[in-house]
Amino acid sequence: VVMTQSPLSLSVPLGQPASISCRSARSLVDTNGDISLTWLQQRPGQSPRRLFYKVSNRDSGVPDRFSASGSGSDFTLKISRMEAEDVGVYYCMQGAHWPFTFGQGTKLEIK
Amino acid sequence: QVQLVQSGSELKKPGASVKISCKTSGYSFTTHTLNWVRQAPGQGLEWIGLINTNTGNPTYAPGFSGRAVFSLDTSVATAYLQILSLRNDDSAVFYCARASFDYWGEGSLVTVSS
Repeated sequence: VVMTQSPLSLSVPLGQPASISCRSARSLVDTNGDISLTWLQQRPGQSPRRLFYKVSNRDSGVPDRFSASGSGSDFTLKISRMEAEDVGVYYCMQGAHWPFTFGQGTKLEIK
Repeated sequence: QVQLVQSGSELKKPGASVKISCKTSGYSFTTHTLNWVRQAPGQGLEWIGLINTNTGNPTYAPGFSGRAVFSLDTSVATAYLQILSLRNDDSAVFYCARASFDYWGEGSLVTVSS
């Protein structure tokens, strides 16, 4: 399943909002009837970290300035106010169909 | 707390193989599958496959079938990834990640160079 993210690069001033789109080539409903869409953050030099699972379930410790939504084949990750610690690459990932696939990644930096 | 601790960096020659370990702790090893993910230098994430830690049954992504081998040692809650017949373009960081990608290892850098 091809996962397409946009934009691939995003420069946002501190305190301003950011939005990343992810589109899937097919339905992401898994065998449990859930939509298996995950968002990951990879800060420079670090391992990826899961932010959201099943479209919009926030992981523990993820600031509430992050939100995620979507349905069908269109999904969005939003940051309400950009902070310095948000710099990194963001990936969407589908876990509904083997092989699991990632989006190309969106590089987020401070403007 | 859940931890996935991976083995260190490796330098290998083309044609050799490499075996990376992912030692887990803080949860019941056999209740969560384990994924393996590759990240080439400056590139994105690529799923290699997963192993069912209860049955030992592996699932490989098409691009890695025949060159990646998953194994387990449940006595020490550790999973292994072996890459066969290394090529120069196999240089990458390899990650293990628990079932739903909620916990990740720190990554193991493999450099392939003659």
